[in-house]
Amino acid sequence: DQQVKQNSPSLSVQEGRISILNCDYTNSMFDYFLWYKKYPAEGPTFLISISSIKDKNEDGRFTVFLNKSAKHLSLHIVPSQPGDSAVYFCAASARYNNNDMRFGAGTRLTVKP
Amino acid sequence: SQTIHQWPATLVQPVGSPLSLECTVEGTSNPNLYWYRQAAGRGLQLLFYSIGIDQISSEVPQNLSASRPQDRQFILSSKKLLLSDSGFYLCAWSVRRSPNYGYTFGSGTRLTVV
Repeated sequence: DQQVKQNSPSLSVQEGRISILNCDYTNSMFDYFLWYKKYPAEGPTFLISISSIKDKNEDGRFTVFLNKSAKHLSLHIVPSQPGDSAVYFCAASARYNNNDMRFGAGTRLTVKP
Repeated sequence: SQTIHQWPATLVQPVGSPLSLECTVEGTSNPNLYWYRQAAGRGLQLLFYSIGIDQISSEVPQNLSASRPQDRQFILSSKKLLLSDSGFYLCAWSVRRSPNYGYTFGSGTRLTVV
């Protein structure tokens, strides 16, 4: 049961341009959303998060947007840098069950110099 | 500061052999602990989570098991590995509070069953 979906397995952008990674979820009980970044042979590292009381959260070059009515969130990276090349996982959890975080399948971002 | 250690980094095991992966957390008490698996080309699948010593919840039926003999130690085991057990195994921890503010992952173990 894929409750968190990342429909684009890969994305390639030019250095300096914007990267937009998308994520959809089905469980309306999810109210906390996160993005993780993963390099090969390493564990994912936390990147940015957003709670359902907000529709935008910004941290430097990274901005996450949440559209609750559409059950959709996106991660914007501006400007993209070659070091941003990694797999990005979207994750969601519900306030009533914080032991269970659901992850998407990931999107592999390649930023070309 | 809190750190999470996971070992070994890579492991090649024959089908039918046993498995033991260990994860320890330092710098925190009473963490929630998790085992995830990333199969080739797939996302992160939750295998087990634990909210305390000897308290293990299994997310999916499989031939794997988990144990938590100490507060900050989480072990993933199998009596007989299958080819389908190959994958990248990740241990993670989180603070025990609500709402959850995200997990911190270990560096992972690449398991290849041959």
